[in-house]
Amino acid sequence: KAGVTQTPRYLIKTRGQQVTLSCSPISGHRSVSWYQQTPGQGLQFLFEYFSETQRNKGNFPGRFSGRQFSNSRSEMNVSTLELGDSALYLCASSLGGGWENTEAFFGQGTRLTVV
Amino acid sequence: LAKTTQPISMDSYEGQEVNITCSHNNIATNDYITWYQQFPSQGPRFIIQGYKTKVTNEVASLFIPADRKSSTLSLPRVSLSDTAVYYCLVGDDTGGFKTIFGAGTRLFVKA
Repeated sequence: KAGVTQTPRYLIKTRGQQVTLSCSPISGHRSVSWYQQTPGQGLQFLFEYFSETQRNKGNFPGRFSGRQFSNSRSEMNVSTLELGDSALYLCASSLGGGWENTEAFFGQGTRLTVV
Repeated sequence: LAKTTQPISMDSYEGQEVNITCSHNNIATNDYITWYQQFPSQGPRFIIQGYKTKVTNEVASLFIPADRKSSTLSLPRVSLSDTAVYYCLVGDDTGGFKTIFGAGTRLFVKA
């Protein structure tokens, strides 16, 4: 089956701009989570969506937002970009909703560079 | 959420068995233990998951003692391509996938 697809793979933006990243989960998966990975902070949880609703949120400022569509595809948006937002942004999908369904499948990520 | 503690780094040689232990003293009844592997500039990849005792698949084994306060990932006969960061996570999915990744263990396999 097709894996998790993230687009674009690479992105260069200027400070102050906004950016939208896209994630297509594995077919049948209803949970989509987003992570930011930087060398200094490691993998940090941004938020998780399940059936178009945000279920969990990490400790990021309001400039980071997301949404999920009825087909489970998800987007995340970062407004007013700062240099520190340069990172690898990873999306993970999972079945969602059960004790044993904690296996998440990650995409290749979007490498965002803010200049 | 249960916090996990694992060694920051480990070195090994090709062909050896590697055991990485993770401590999770506050694991909850509903929590599963999951291990992921990550190569540079790639997303983490699921290795193995367990709830108690021992689980084995084609790439690894996971040993979980009765109290579940720790777990050990065992990689048999590692190769250079097993050089990666290994993350131990605990959690359940009932309240949403909010898994928190720790710093992980950086395994370096030498020839």
